Order: sequence, then C-alpha cells, then structure tokens
Amino acid sequence: KQEVTQIPAALSVPEGENLVLNCSFTDSAIYNLQWFRQDPGKGLTSLLLIQSSQREQTSGRLNASLDKSSGRSTLYIAASQPGDSATYLCAVIMIKAAGNKLTFGGGTRVLVKP
Amino acid sequence: DGGITQSPKYLFRKEGQNVTLSCEQNLNHDAMYWYRQDPGQGLRLIYYSQIVNDFQKGDIAEGYSVSREKKESFPLTVTSAQKNPTAFYLCASSYQGTEYGYTFGSGTRLTVV
Repeated sequence: KQEVTQIPAALSVPEGENLVLNCSFTDSAIYNLQWFRQDPGKGLTSLLLIQSSQREQTSGRLNASLDKSSGRSTLYIAASQPGDSATYLCAVIMIKAAGNKLTFGGGTRVLVKP
Repeated sequence: DGGITQSPKYLFRKEGQNVTLSCEQNLNHDAMYWYRQDPGQGLRLIYYSQIVNDFQKGDIAEGYSVSREKKESFPLTVTSAQKNPTAFYLCASSYQGTEYGYTFGSGTRLTVV
C-alpha cells in the first residue's frame, strides 16, 4: 500500500529564508506527483505538477524536484514571505490506482515570521 | 474563469438528516472526486466518477451517496447512516489521463448539531 509522508509536520522560519519541504513515498510506481497549498479553512491550490519522467518543475519562486527511484520529492520556496504561510500537501497518482486517485501526505504547516 | 464551485460553504446537519453538498465545474473535466479532510487524518477519497452516469466507491464510501447525471455536476449526499459526518469536504476534478493535475474546489464544512 502506498504511503506518503511529509516531514516535518510543522515548520517556522524568518522571512527571507529559503523553505525546503520534503515528501517521501514508498511505492515508486507513480504517474505523477502534485504539490498543493492550503490556507486555513480553504480548498487546495495546485502549485506544481511533476510527471514521473521529469526531474523538476519550476514556477516563480517555487521549484519542485522528483527522485522516483528513492521515493522523494522536495519543494523549494525561495526568499520566503509571510504570505507563504500555509499548509503544503504533496500527493501522488499510483500506476495501479483505480480512477487515478490521489494519495496524499499529511502536509507540512509553514509559518513565515515577519 | 473556469473553476470548481462548491456550495454551501458551511452546512449544519441535525441527527438523522440527509444533506446534499453541491459541486459544479466548468472546466470540461471528465473525472470528478469527493474527498473528506479530518484533522490528523489527511484527505481520504469518498467517491469518484470518470464519466457521466458512472461512479465508483473510494476508500470511505459508507454513509455517502453520489450521482453524475451531468458532466458538470457531482453532488454528494451525506446520509443518516454516516455516523461521524463532521468534516471538511473537498470536491476535485481532472481530465482523463494522468498527465493532467487535479483542480480542487473551496470546500464545504459540515457540522452535526
């Protein structure tokens, strides 16, 4: 059974510091991995989608890497801002998943202090 | 702008009542999903539908029902058989094919009173 883990569960950094968020998965047979942001009481906003054949994706200050063989993905947020405070979730679609369902990690709650 | 609309934002249910959560998308996505989010348990799949008039149970379907009569709509009914319905419910959609990502709605918070 696929397990997706995000460590740490919470992270606090001063403004301007780079953020490094980790996601690990136990089964490397995935189609893709998606990173989401969730603000309190809100839905999920897609940040980056990485296909299994890709090594990384970039969007502005965000960069996500994928190492399928080791079952790891890392989300980097450069020069963090207080507005980056949110919970960040990673999710994978497994090759053998019915309906292409997402399997989520538990999330990392980030606080960027001014 | 295209997106997913969930309504209502907040919903209160009395014991023994059935309630229906609405999910509408104008993204022309084929597949739609319902997830439940509880503190400390992450997101869990309730039901999904990959095509009109067809849907499948997810990991925690007991006490829930859905319909998919139109491509744009995928309502979720929380029945009285669901013993612990208080949670945050998220609807999502995607194109068929794994090269596309998911789009999520803004969620409905359901509370039993």
